[in-house]
Amino acid sequence: NAGVTQTPKFQVLKTGQSMTLQCAQDMNHNSMYWYRQDPGMGLRLIYYSASEGTTDKGEVPNGYNVSRLNKREFSLRLESAAPSQTSVYFCASRGPGNTEAFFGQGTRLTVV
Amino acid sequence: RKEVEQDPGPFNVPEGATVAFNCTYSNSASQSFFWYRQDCRKEPKLLMSVYSSGNEDGRFTAQLNRASQYISLLIRDSKLSDSATYLCVVKGNNAGNMLTFGGGTRLMVKP
Repeated sequence: NAGVTQTPKFQVLKTGQSMTLQCAQDMNHNSMYWYRQDPGMGLRLIYYSASEGTTDKGEVPNGYNVSRLNKREFSLRLESAAPSQTSVYFCASRGPGNTEAFFGQGTRLTVV
Repeated sequence: RKEVEQDPGPFNVPEGATVAFNCTYSNSASQSFFWYRQDCRKEPKLLMSVYSSGNEDGRFTAQLNRASQYISLLIRDSKLSDSATYLCVVKGNNAGNMLTFGGGTRLMVKP
C-alpha cells in the first residue's frame, strides 16, 4: 500500500518556466489537497478537491492551477514560476469525517 | 490573528524531562483536533487525535479545552527520538474537510 505518492522529489526551475507536480493516492479518498511549507509559516493550503470533478482555492492559490484528473490523481501546475514559489510542496489526501490526512513525501522546488 | 497559533520554540530539554506544548485556535466552530509530528525534511505524520475527554497514548497526553480554545500536548520521559516539530491541526466545519495547520513547535531533546 503506497499511500500518497508525489513526483518529482526535487526540482529546480528558472523564472518563467512551467511545471506540473503529480500526486496520486491509492486509499480511495475523496478529498485531496496541495500545501506549501515555508520556514516559519507552517503548511498553507493552495488548492483542494473535495471530490472527483471539483476543485477550490485555498489560502494561497495565486500562481497555481490544479486538476483533479480522477479520484486517484490531483496535479498542481505552475504556469510561470517565480522565485516566491520556492518552497516545499506537499500533497495530502483524507477520508470522510474526522480521519487523519496522509501526506506525500514532498517536492522541494527551487525557482532561480 | 492566525487561525491556529503555536509557540515556535525551540524547546530544548534533557532526556527524561516532561515537556508541554499549547496551541490556540480562533474558530469556535472547529470540530476536530490533531497533533502531527514532522521530522526534518520529511512529511507530517499523525501523532494523535485530540478528543474532548482527553486522550493518552503511552508517554503522550493530549487535552482539549473548548471554552478557552486551546489544545495541549504533554510528553513525559522525553527520548532523543522525540526531537521533531509538532504541528497543531484543526478541522473546522467547512466544505472540503479542510485542515488548518499551526506553524509548529520545535522540540530538541538532548542527552
